[in-house]
Amino acid sequence: EPEVTQTPSHQVTQMGQEVILRCVPISNHLYFYWYRQILGQKVEFLVSFYNNEISEKSEIFDDQFSVERPDGSNFTLKIRSTKLEDSAMYFCASTQGDTTYEQYFGPGTRLTVT
Amino acid sequence: AQSVTQLGSHVSVSEGALVLLRCNYSSSVPPYLFWYVQYPNQGLQLLLKYTTGATLVKGINGFEAEFKKSETSFHLTKPSAHMSDAAEYFCAVSHNSGNTPLVFGKGTRLSVIA
Repeated sequence: EPEVTQTPSHQVTQMGQEVILRCVPISNHLYFYWYRQILGQKVEFLVSFYNNEISEKSEIFDDQFSVERPDGSNFTLKIRSTKLEDSAMYFCASTQGDTTYEQYFGPGTRLTVT
Repeated sequence: AQSVTQLGSHVSVSEGALVLLRCNYSSSVPPYLFWYVQYPNQGLQLLLKYTTGATLVKGINGFEAEFKKSETSFHLTKPSAHMSDAAEYFCAVSHNSGNTPLVFGKGTRLSVIA
């Protein structure tokens, strides 16, 4: 069964460093998302991406964040200058965009900022 | 704005007992409702969804949920708990279509006691 994959599974970085989280969505899906979950808190929406552009973003998704689909298969989230409060589990999701309404989630990347 | 409230961050049941996980939502438009399950070190997996039509929906692993508009609820149930049901369960809501971002509740950790 097709699945969303994410790399790395765990990333440790120092405050102020740039990180890139990578996702490979399911191949025939058209909509892509990033969510995050700070430890002990709810899963929060960051950004959605369709047709090579951001379709919606939350207040969390400020100028330090960016997304890209560089090669038609990967979907990346870049954090330019990490802060301690960026420590969280980051989930990528994708959906076909039809009436199944199901977003398929990857296993997540745990980002630890020290 | 939409929101989801899950009553009880931790629920513990005996093996074979009824599982009831509560979810209430707030939405100014007809909601699309979802339950996701997260096993340790894995991504979010869709258990079931309500979009339109029958208000009692059945999902995988014997779970079902009933959409009650008058109570703004979408509680998840399973008649008989199994040890393998131990996981984190998330209720989520979206609007308009399945392509819009999901708004999650804080999650309920289900423990099953032998």
